[in-house]
Formats: sequence, C-alpha cells, structure tokens
Amino acid sequence: GAVVSQHPSWVICKSGTSVKIECRSLDFQATTMFWYRQFPKQSLMLMATSNEGSKATYEQGVEKDKFLINHASLTLSTLTVTSAHPEDSSFYICSASDSFSKNIQYFGAGTRLSVL
Amino acid sequence: EDKVVQSPLSLVVHEGDTVTLNCSYEVTNFRSLLWYKQEKKAPTFLFMLTSSGIEKKSGRLSSILDKKELSSILNITATQTGDSAIYLCAVPHGSSNTGKLIFGQGTTLQVKP
Repeated sequence: GAVVSQHPSWVICKSGTSVKIECRSLDFQATTMFWYRQFPKQSLMLMATSNEGSKATYEQGVEKDKFLINHASLTLSTLTVTSAHPEDSSFYICSASDSFSKNIQYFGAGTRLSVL
Repeated sequence: EDKVVQSPLSLVVHEGDTVTLNCSYEVTNFRSLLWYKQEKKAPTFLFMLTSSGIEKKSGRLSSILDKKELSSILNITATQTGDSAIYLCAVPHGSSNTGKLIFGQGTTLQVKP
C-alpha cells in the first residue's frame, strides 16, 4: 500500500516552455501533497504544500507564479513549471500523506527536468 | 527554528560491517521522527519513531529514539552493497500541524564489496 506515482520520470524541454508534472496517490486518498526540489548531493528542499481543493502554501523564496500547483482531487496534484529556464533544471519530487498517518509522507519516484 | 542534523555526512564501509547513523533534532512540540532511504530516485519510508527507548526493527535495520538526548540512531548490521544510499532523517514541523517535514542533510552510505 501507500504508492505514489509521479510522471514523467524525465523530461527535456526548451527554454521558455512550460512543463507539467503529475503526482498521483494510487491506493489512498492524499489529503496533503508536497512538492520538493533536490539539487545534486543535497537534501530535499520543500517548495510547497497543497491540500485538496485549496490554494497551495509556498515556502519562502519559491515563486508561486513560476511553480503552479493544483490539487484538484484527493489523488492528484500537479506542478507546472512555467516559462522554464536552465536554472530550473533539477530533480522534482512529490510526496503525499493521508489523514490517518499524517506525519508519514510517501514519495513519488521523482522527475528529472532538464531545460535547454 | 526547527532543525535536524545528521552525522556523519558520508561513510564508506565494507560488506559485512555494522554502521550507526546519527540524527539529532531541535523542534518545538516534537511528535515523531522518521527515517527514509533514498537510492537513485525518491526516498522510501523506513521507520517512524514516537516513543523513547523502543527499538523498531526491519531485517538488518533497526532504529531507536532518545527523547532526552533529542536524537535517534539508525543501525544497519551485516551491510550489503544494496544498502548503499542516502539515509534521511526528518521530523514534522513543530509549530504547525500541516504534516510538513524538516529533513536533515542526509548521510551518504557507500558499502564496498
């Protein structure tokens, strides 16, 4: 149980284009989903927290207009990197928790984004 | 400010060795401490600890929490090359109940054949 699927696992795009990453909880209802960014050899950096049906809460320094988050259902959240630039190239990871085991986050496999 | 510190940051051992990874925390309103293993992709959940002194065990991995010392250790016995990974320790953010986790820097473990 507690499987989180993230898609795509790898994407290459041109500078200026937008990229959408999907995060789905497959066997549980995710009341809260989280989006992280990870740079090489560094720990996870939380970008935002999203609750189903409400606006995401962004961490300090994260541009909400740049990283659009939508959590339209209890099993799906999306992160759209708008007008991507090479400095947005990174490993993006989503996680989800349910209302029962709220403090345990289950992670997706991550998305490697390369912006040319 | 809530903080999680792990040590060592990296470790190289040989197969069969036993390793101990450390995690210390400072958080208001402590609720739990979690350990994750991250190989090439995203972290996989290992343990959640809430009570002091009670060991959690899964195969060759075990972990224990010491609330007095504000710390936890993760032990791996008879290490194998497949144990090579980054081990992350995390605690829920203290002052909010959002489920947000504060992660340590991670310990990179390399197990050589």
